[in-house]
Amino acid sequence: EPEVTQTPSHQVTQMGQEVILRCVPISNHLYFYWYRQILGQKVEFLVSFYNNEISEKSEIFDDQFSVERPDGSNFTLKIRSTKLEDSAMYFCASSEPTYSGSSYEQYFGPGTRLTVT
Amino acid sequence: RKEVEQDPGPFNVPEGATVAFNCTYSNSASQSFFWYRQDCRKEPKLLMSVYSSGNEDGRFTAQLNRASQYISLLIRDSKLSDSATYLCVVKGGDDKIIFGKGTRLHILP
Repeated sequence: EPEVTQTPSHQVTQMGQEVILRCVPISNHLYFYWYRQILGQKVEFLVSFYNNEISEKSEIFDDQFSVERPDGSNFTLKIRSTKLEDSAMYFCASSEPTYSGSSYEQYFGPGTRLTVT
Repeated sequence: RKEVEQDPGPFNVPEGATVAFNCTYSNSASQSFFWYRQDCRKEPKLLMSVYSSGNEDGRFTAQLNRASQYISLLIRDSKLSDSATYLCVVKGGDDKIIFGKGTRLHILP
């Protein structure tokens, strides 16, 4: 069964450093998403991406964040100048297209646990 | 009113019982609705989409009431493996996806 993969599974970084979280979505999916989940809290939408551009982003997704699809398979989330409060689990998800757009049935990767010290 | 609201639980239910979860949403323009389950420290996994006519998948039944802005999930004949957090997910009129905080379910042997 195809699945979304993410690397690394755990990233530890110092405050102020830049991190890049990587995701390989399911191969025939065209819609990609990033979410974060702070420990003990709900899953929060960050950004959706389609056709090589951001289609929607939340208030959390400020200038500190950027996304990129550098090649045909990877989808990355870059966090510049990390802060302590960026510590969270970051999930990538993808969904397949339908004739009217995204199916919105999203399949999640296992997540990257980011710890900022 | 919170965008997506769920009873946090926990629901402690004996094996074999029927359990029901409710979820309310605030945006009347919301278009798509889903139930996910999340095991401890794992990713959310899609359980089922929720359609206006209601839908069933084995022991799981989902209902949508647009007039009351309310979604439900019913689990019949609960199994130990059903223990998890159940997440109500709503897509608004834009492309934003909003998760509820989830309802924790413990199935007791």
